[in-house]
Amino acid sequence: EAGVAQSPRYKIIEKRQSVAFWCNPISGHATLYWYQQILGQGPKLLIQFQNNGVVDDSQLPKDRFSAERLKGVDSTLKIQPAKLEDSAVYLCASSRQKDRGRNEQFFGPGTRLTVL
Amino acid sequence: QQQVKQSPQSLIVQKGGISIINCAYENTAFDYFPWYQQFPGKGPALLIAIRPDVSEKKEGRFTISFNKSAKQFSLHIMDSQPGDSATYFCAAPAGSARQLTFGSGTQLTVLP
Repeated sequence: EAGVAQSPRYKIIEKRQSVAFWCNPISGHATLYWYQQILGQGPKLLIQFQNNGVVDDSQLPKDRFSAERLKGVDSTLKIQPAKLEDSAVYLCASSRQKDRGRNEQFFGPGTRLTVL
Repeated sequence: QQQVKQSPQSLIVQKGGISIINCAYENTAFDYFPWYQQFPGKGPALLIAIRPDVSEKKEGRFTISFNKSAKQFSLHIMDSQPGDSATYFCAAPAGSARQLTFGSGTQLTVLP
């Protein structure tokens, strides 16, 4: 099966600019996650969707970050305006709803964001 | 917020040696503890996982040892190979939706 697709792979912006990331999960996966991975750290969950509804966004900085998952498939994550500390790799992952007990998550390659 | 403490931060072993990475977690009622492997420029990928009703799980050269009473689990890589050089993350589920909290990672380097 095709893996999780993300674009762009790299993005460089100035602080206070806006940026958007796109994710296409594995076909049939009901659950979609966005993570932030700062260099040298583990992935930190930003938001979790179940189909097109939000399950958990408790760690999403809602004053600048937003995410949506229209029609329960693709998802976009937006940062507006960006800060220097937003420099990180943004990972998208998906998992099967019926496999919820194991919760195996399949990750995309990530988008490396650099904020200057 | 579920915390997972991982050690060591980095590890260097010789080819053929044993690599051991440890994780400790806080109280949890959940039953799934995975290890993920991440190569540079790639997303993490599930390596092996364990349920706490068993004390050990082995898949090829990779073994998880689980100590429920101590709330600890560890990854052992036997006969380590240069191709195993990567960053390894332990994780534990938290919250009603079983969100995974990841450890801080261990960068493993296997010398040829």
